[in-house]
Amino acid sequence: DTGVSQNPRHKITKRGQNVTFRCDPISEHNRLYWYRQTLGQGPEFLTYFQNEAQLEKSRLLSDRFSAERPKGSFSTLEIQRTEQGDSAMYLCASSPGQLADTQYFGPGTRLTVL
Amino acid sequence: AQSVTQLDSQVPVFEEAPVELRCNYSSSVSVYLFWYVQYPNQGLQLLLKYLSGSTLVKGINGFEAEFNKSQTSFHLRKPSVHISDTAEYFCAVVSRAGGTSYGKLTFGQGTILTVHP
Repeated sequence: DTGVSQNPRHKITKRGQNVTFRCDPISEHNRLYWYRQTLGQGPEFLTYFQNEAQLEKSRLLSDRFSAERPKGSFSTLEIQRTEQGDSAMYLCASSPGQLADTQYFGPGTRLTVL
Repeated sequence: AQSVTQLDSQVPVFEEAPVELRCNYSSSVSVYLFWYVQYPNQGLQLLLKYLSGSTLVKGINGFEAEFNKSQTSFHLRKPSVHISDTAEYFCAVVSRAGGTSYGKLTFGQGTILTVHP
């Protein structure tokens, strides 16, 4: 069990650029979640996958955001035409699949949009 | 929909003193309850969770929490804190109803616990 990994750990970009983050969940975990955390706030749900199917997207996830989980393994979160308001920590978590299962979090990707 | 309120944004305490971090929630359905801890530059780590049964739940690192259904609270306690407990603590809930929001965690704003020598 190597835990959930996220890359890159830090990303600095200019407004208007596109960025992509990657999350590698714990192997054999069926569910994968993305959250966003801004300074002084708790994490907020963005979207989640059951295997390769994206089952829910938060209202926070505008059309500029897209997430994929090809073949139910790793996941990517892309932000197009970044805005300064996108600056945040993006967290990924995975769980085995039952409702009450613990979600295991990665270290996060900190995005700074200049 | 659910919401979680952590009543203290910062809690300073001296080493070996007891501590209580307060959490209240609001939900139209039954929920599971969680406490996570976030150390600097690390991911969130589960401290404990309440699913059913005894309302007093014991977790890692000597922490415990008590579920109070009538007061919709899930306060976290530790009888004697250490310097290493300095971190940010998050209370969270998951709806038992499942559905399209299956497993979605709703977090409070966090409480920064600072343990002074």
